[in-house]
Amino acid sequence: QVHLLESGPGLVKASQTLSLTCDISGDSVSNRGDAWNWLRQSPSRGLEWLGSIYFRSQWFRKYGTSAESRVTINPDTSRNQFSLEVKSVTPDDTAMYFCARGRHNGFDCWGQGILVIVSS
Amino acid sequence: EVVLTQSPGTLSLSPGDRATLSCRASQSVNNNLLLWYQQKPGQAPRLLMYDVFTRMSGTPDRFTGSGSGTDFTLTISSLEPEDFGVYYCQHFDFSLFTFGQGTRLEIK
Repeated sequence: QVHLLESGPGLVKASQTLSLTCDISGDSVSNRGDAWNWLRQSPSRGLEWLGSIYFRSQWFRKYGTSAESRVTINPDTSRNQFSLEVKSVTPDDTAMYFCARGRHNGFDCWGQGILVIVSS
Repeated sequence: EVVLTQSPGTLSLSPGDRATLSCRASQSVNNNLLLWYQQKPGQAPRLLMYDVFTRMSGTPDRFTGSGSGTDFTLTISSLEPEDFGVYYCQHFDFSLFTFGQGTRLEIK
């Protein structure tokens, strides 16, 4: 049974960097058959895919278009985690942030989500 | 980027009714890369269906996905109380994932 758990600060000041971590149990961040994703959800923007990371003999990253230049996703193989950084946040980045495993060209396993509020 | 438009925005039905949820894509969806999720309040979305009509393990057979090209449908043959929530369609193309805005299925 795969379990994902997001963690990080729930409050970030505008212009600073939002940093979250996703702990993986029951699977490996280095599993060549999977991709590991960050998504967010807000009333104004709906469900939005931020990006993914996956290992296929080397690490690959892909990012969504909306926040591409500000988003970085990295693996931590020693802790079986992956992380999300969003730089220069604004109140528009306030959302529920989810990590999820990628399969079937979608997302088959999700964390519970973490609410991040960006204060101005 | 493919834009997905779901209709109706809200569907009010009773247990036992048939529900028909629509997802229309702005461009033709290639390789049947269309998925459906269910989300309940306070929970993450749950993947129900992928490749248009393939049910995930645990998705009841009262859920049926259909469609091709730009028009897709999720049908729930006879609503159970646990089926109420918000449903999203999702597409994958050119390394991008996009979601529809959701259809809220509520108890009448």
